[in-house]
Amino acid sequence: GQNIDQPTEMTATEGAIVQINCTYQTSGFNGLFWYQQHAGEAPTFLSYNVLDGLEEKGRFSSFLSRSKGYSYLLLKELQMKDSASYLCAVKDSNYQLIWGAGTKLIIKP
Amino acid sequence: IAGITQAPTSQILAAGRRMTLRCTQDMRHNAMYWYRQDLGLGLRLIHYSNTAGTTGKGEVPDGYSVSRANTDDFPLTLASAVPSQTSVYFCASSDSLTGFGANVLTFGAGSRLTVL
Repeated sequence: GQNIDQPTEMTATEGAIVQINCTYQTSGFNGLFWYQQHAGEAPTFLSYNVLDGLEEKGRFSSFLSRSKGYSYLLLKELQMKDSASYLCAVKDSNYQLIWGAGTKLIIKP
Repeated sequence: IAGITQAPTSQILAAGRRMTLRCTQDMRHNAMYWYRQDLGLGLRLIHYSNTAGTTGKGEVPDGYSVSRANTDDFPLTLASAVPSQTSVYFCASSDSLTGFGANVLTFGAGSRLTVL
């Protein structure tokens, strides 16, 4: 079967750096997405990786290794507003999105 | 409106009742989706539509139906609600359904449905 694994919850300190990992086993691969979802709100798009390597976008970066079925989202200079759930999703060979359960990130002052 | 509007925001429903969740987008996106989100699980696709007039089944379609009479509207109907359909429902849209590339999804704010 197809599977996306992420840690359920992580805690970090304001101003610090945190890395949220995502491992996947899917039938084919056509890209990996990260979305941010604040409590009670809609998910919003953060990043997209289809080739190996690091994509940087301001304080957020996303890394992909297709051979290892692995991605991470790196958040720098953490702010309280970064407290949210972070969803990893993979587009499989049928171009269907397979979603992880999300990682709840708690930022402490 | 800008983006996707869902209604109602929240609803408590007796089991066996019929319920329609409304979804309207103003971005002229071709593809639309309905997902359910349950604690501890990833988003699960219920139904989707590639373009007006066409619909398809997702991962968990049983007990739900959709229609796509025009580009903007994509209602989701529960013909006879059951407690297992208690969930948060998200409508989403994108430029296109399939294909290589970042078909970024835009989500509505969600509809929280409780079936008793």
